[in-house]
Amino acid sequence: TQLLEQSPQFLSIQEGENLTVYCNSSSVFSSLQWYRQEPGEGPVLLVTVVTGGEVKKLKRLTFQFGDARKDSSLHITAAQPGDTGLYLCAGGPWDDYKLSFGAGTTVTVRA
Amino acid sequence: DTAVSQTPKYLVTQMGNDKSIKCEQNLGHDTMYWYKQDSKKFLKIMFSYNNKELIINETVPNRFSPKSPDKAHLNLHINSLELGDSAVYFCASSTSTGGGGETQYFGPGTRLLVL
Repeated sequence: TQLLEQSPQFLSIQEGENLTVYCNSSSVFSSLQWYRQEPGEGPVLLVTVVTGGEVKKLKRLTFQFGDARKDSSLHITAAQPGDTGLYLCAGGPWDDYKLSFGAGTTVTVRA
Repeated sequence: DTAVSQTPKYLVTQMGNDKSIKCEQNLGHDTMYWYKQDSKKFLKIMFSYNNKELIINETVPNRFSPKSPDKAHLNLHINSLELGDSAVYFCASSTSTGGGGETQYFGPGTRLLVL
């Protein structure tokens, strides 16, 4: 059983459309991170959210941390082909310093 | 100026062989990790070292043995390779013991294929 559940597993959209990726857990996290992994590369951190209810924006990407610190979402506005990649959420519960990763969402943005 | 580097990038070998993957970070970080990413892209931690001491040792076959000669290096040795070991292995580092809030910096990965 995975600590973090991501949905959907795959997402294919047209350039200019919006998309949302979800990351859910039954555990409370001290913080949640979102990484993007491009083919042939390692994951790269996009953002860390640390406060329940927090919203962070990174250009066309909006990240939200749930009030109860158990879930997070990533919303991309007007997606572009350069947004294509594997999006991974990761978090560490309060009582465990290990970072656990979700299974990832593969996003494909078609030109 | 690669922050976290791994060698080799590709490794193709026969079942039963022994192989090593090397990792180096020039970020001055105290903690290094090995992850395995399977064909479904699930990234699972294997080991973590903090200042050359083992702090995470997940349920990994004892054919896998990490070695940290100093805090900038963490190597992974695999004995008696099996078909199921085929995966991408990522090395990562962070400023402290990871967990919530700590950014992990990943290497480019080593693609291992066992035939």
